[in-house]
Amino acid sequence: AQSVSQHNHHVILSEAASLELGCNYSYGGTVNLFWYVQYPGQHLQLLLKYFSGDPLVKGIKGFEAEFIKSKFSFNLRKPSVQWSDTAEYFCAVTPNTDKLIFGTGTRLQVFP
Amino acid sequence: GAVVSQHPSWVICKSGTSVKIECRSLDFQATTMFWYRQFPKQSLMLMATSNEGSKATYEQGVEKDKFLINHASLTLSTLTVTSAHPEDSSFYICSARGDGGAYEQYFGPGTRLTVT
Repeated sequence: AQSVSQHNHHVILSEAASLELGCNYSYGGTVNLFWYVQYPGQHLQLLLKYFSGDPLVKGIKGFEAEFIKSKFSFNLRKPSVQWSDTAEYFCAVTPNTDKLIFGTGTRLQVFP
Repeated sequence: GAVVSQHPSWVICKSGTSVKIECRSLDFQATTMFWYRQFPKQSLMLMATSNEGSKATYEQGVEKDKFLINHASLTLSTLTVTSAHPEDSSFYICSARGDGGAYEQYFGPGTRLTVT
């Protein structure tokens, strides 16, 4: 079945550690890719997006993601996490439509 | 910019009653709004897509007679959960997309519905 997969369900890191969250999708053709973040008690916010062009996308708060078409992946990275990055992270895809298909989410906990 | 509000932020209702949730785009006109449902520790599931002035398009498995959606203006969409049951208890989130498009959606803060 077509889907968006986030294999890391729960990630625990210490401050200053590097982060990489995986996202794979199974849709063919042209896709638009997004990473959203949901801080505790807050609404979803867009971290970054990819529509076309440079496959390395830089977003807010030091996050970046790389689109690898051959691997159907759009992994999120941050070289040095902070306690304030503790949140739920969602990968999402729009497979040739305007509908956002979300992954299951990854809960990130950062300890000082 | 691009702020979306929802009202109420939480609501408790008795089984069998109906509940209306409002979604407003505060600083832009939203030609399309989306309604999602989020279960605890799970992802967002798209329920329906609503375009201003037309009928909503529901996802497979979503009862359109139970979840009534109205998008009467470019800044307001409503979701009415009719004859609510405890299994309808969930977190309902709306999003809005303006004419700028590019598939970017702006999310509301969500509404926690508890049916007793």
